[in-house]
Amino acid sequence: QGQLVESGGGVVQPGRSLRLSCAASGFIFNTQAMYWVRQAPGKGLEWVASIWYDGTAKFYADSVQGRFTISRDNSRNMVYLQMNSLTSEDTALYYCARNMPLTTWGQGTLVTVSS
Amino acid sequence: IQMTQSPSTLSASVGDRVTITCRASQSISDWLAWYQQKPGKAPNLLIYRASTLESGVPSRFSGSGSGTEFTLTISSLQPDDFATYYCQQYASYSGYTFGRGTKLEIK
Repeated sequence: QGQLVESGGGVVQPGRSLRLSCAASGFIFNTQAMYWVRQAPGKGLEWVASIWYDGTAKFYADSVQGRFTISRDNSRNMVYLQMNSLTSEDTALYYCARNMPLTTWGQGTLVTVSS
Repeated sequence: IQMTQSPSTLSASVGDRVTITCRASQSISDWLAWYQQKPGKAPNLLIYRASTLESGVPSRFSGSGSGTEFTLTISSLQPDDFATYYCQQYASYSGYTFGRGTKLEIK
C-alpha cells in the first residue's frame, strides 16, 4: 500500500514562502502520479496540485496557480510543494497523496499563515 | 466541474440505511470517488468508478450513478461509520473537485 510522510509545515508570515516535502516508500514511486490536497481548519478537502509520474505535466488549482509549484525527485522518492506569496487563505493541513482516486495519504503537515 | 453534495449534515441511528447524494455540474461519466474521514485522520477511499468498492471496505457501503447524479448508501449503519464523507470527481486531470462533505452524526 505504501507510505507517505509530509514535512515542512509551520507558521509563516503573509507574503513569505514555504516548501513542503513528502517522502514516499513502499511502492514504485516513479510510476505514480502524486498530489497535494489541503484542508483548512474545520473545512472540506481541496485539491491543490498534481504531477505526473515523470514530472512532465503539472496541474494546479486556480487558487494557487502562479504561486505554488509542485515538483518531484524520482531518485529520492520525494515530492515537493513550493509555496510563495502565502496568504491567510492558505492556512491548512496539507496532505500528500498518490494515485487517482487517492488511495494512499500521508498524515498531513500544518501550514499556518499569520503575522 | 462543481460538485454539489447533500445533505451537509445527516443524523441517523445505528442500523439505519442512509444515502448521500453528489451532483456534478457536467457529466463526469463514472469518474467519481467517495472518501470517509474521521476526526484527526486523513481521508480513506471507500468507492471509485462510482460503484467499485475499494479493497477492505465493508459491503454495507455501496455507490451508484453515472453522468451527473451519484449516491453513496450505507445499508446498516455501524458505530464506526459516524464520520464525514466526501465525493470527488476525477474526470478531468487538470482539475479535481471534492464535494463540501456530509457529516454523519449519531441521532
